[in-house]
Amino acid sequence: GNSVTQMEGPVTLSEEAFLTINCTYTATGYPSLFWYVQYPGEGLQLLLKATKADDKGSNKGFEATYRKETTSFHLEKGSVQVSDSAVYFCALSETDTGNQFYFGTGTSLTVIP
Amino acid sequence: DAMVIQNPRYQVTQFGKPVTLSCSQTLNHNVMYWYQQKSSQAPKLLFHYYDKDFNNEADTPDNFQSRRPNTSFCFLDIRSPGLGDAAMYLCATSRVRGNEQFFGPGTRLTVL
Repeated sequence: GNSVTQMEGPVTLSEEAFLTINCTYTATGYPSLFWYVQYPGEGLQLLLKATKADDKGSNKGFEATYRKETTSFHLEKGSVQVSDSAVYFCALSETDTGNQFYFGTGTSLTVIP
Repeated sequence: DAMVIQNPRYQVTQFGKPVTLSCSQTLNHNVMYWYQQKSSQAPKLLFHYYDKDFNNEADTPDNFQSRRPNTSFCFLDIRSPGLGDAAMYLCATSRVRGNEQFFGPGTRLTVL
């Protein structure tokens, strides 16, 4: 079956540190991959996406590359800010399974000044 | 701006008292979803509509119902809320199934 496994949190970083949040997936076909961000008390916002192998999604300084060979979609940012403090969810969607979204458990990030 | 709107943002109800949460969208998307999210957990899909076609998840309790009277609106009805139903309820839309989903801000439900 389909699933998403995310790096467990919480993660605490100092401002301007490098961020990596690991995400690996299991899928029977060719999924699309997403990163969503959830700020406290709010809904989820799409951060970036990739729809095929070797695609790189990027937005607001965040990047993730769809790696089919390692079934991974790790989220990275070169220099985090306090405003990046949030919960990050990796997700996949696959046509073969009715396009249901499968979310990871989320990784909480706190950036301290 | 096109968006997904949820009302109310905060809802308090009593144990067993029916409650309705609403969601509207200006994106003209075909698919609307309802998720339940408990603290520090991933959103859990309750059901979704593809146009008027209703799709219930196998483990969604019968206590939860949904209506979609038109493209723009979707409602979540909880017939007899229990303490375990206290959660954030998220509405989302997508143009078609499998595309990225756009989420509303959520309704925080408290059950007393």
